[in-house]
Amino acid sequence: GDSVTQMEGPVTLSEEAFLTINCTYTATGYPSLFWYVQYPGEGLQLLLKATKADDKGSNKGFEATYRKETTSFHLEKGSVQVSDSAVYFCALRGDRGAQKLVFGQGTRLTINP
Amino acid sequence: DGGITQSPKYLFRKEGQNVTLSCEQNLNHDAMYWYRQDPGQGLRLIYYSQIVNDFQKGDIAEGYSVSREKKESFPLTVTSAQKNPTAFYLCASNPQGLLGTEAFFGQGTRLTVV
Repeated sequence: GDSVTQMEGPVTLSEEAFLTINCTYTATGYPSLFWYVQYPGEGLQLLLKATKADDKGSNKGFEATYRKETTSFHLEKGSVQVSDSAVYFCALRGDRGAQKLVFGQGTRLTINP
Repeated sequence: DGGITQSPKYLFRKEGQNVTLSCEQNLNHDAMYWYRQDPGQGLRLIYYSQIVNDFQKGDIAEGYSVSREKKESFPLTVTSAQKNPTAFYLCASNPQGLLGTEAFFGQGTRLTVV
């Protein structure tokens, strides 16, 4: 079945550092890919998405490119802020059958001032 | 404003009791989902529904039950058969059949067994 594997956390960086959180997936067909963010005690919010190969999703300085050849969707940000501290989830939605959302295990990010 | 609402935000249950978590959406979405999140872990799918009066088990359905009598509502009952129910529960919805659309999440219900 479909699956998503994320870089294990926790990740701790200093403010203004460069961020990469790795995400790879296994799926048949042409899934859509998503990054969600979760702040403490809250639900998940969509951060960005890409629906076909070579698409780049971007939002709030974060970017991720849908790489079908490497089955990857790595999240990057050039200069992180303390307010970026949260848990980040990579997810995919298949293009056939029940089209369920499948999540990675999440990566906790802490940014120190 | 359109959205998805979960209630209550916090819920306490005595051992042996059934409790029901509410999830309501006014987004006109066909598909709805229930996930469980344990500390430091990812989301695990409990049940999902693609259409009214139909639902399927997810990966960890044992000890849970759902109903989908209305498009807007997808309540989750945590039964006494669920041996470790303390967790954060998240409800989500998305349009079915529209490729590339994201799921929208509620704010979650934190269930604690006392």
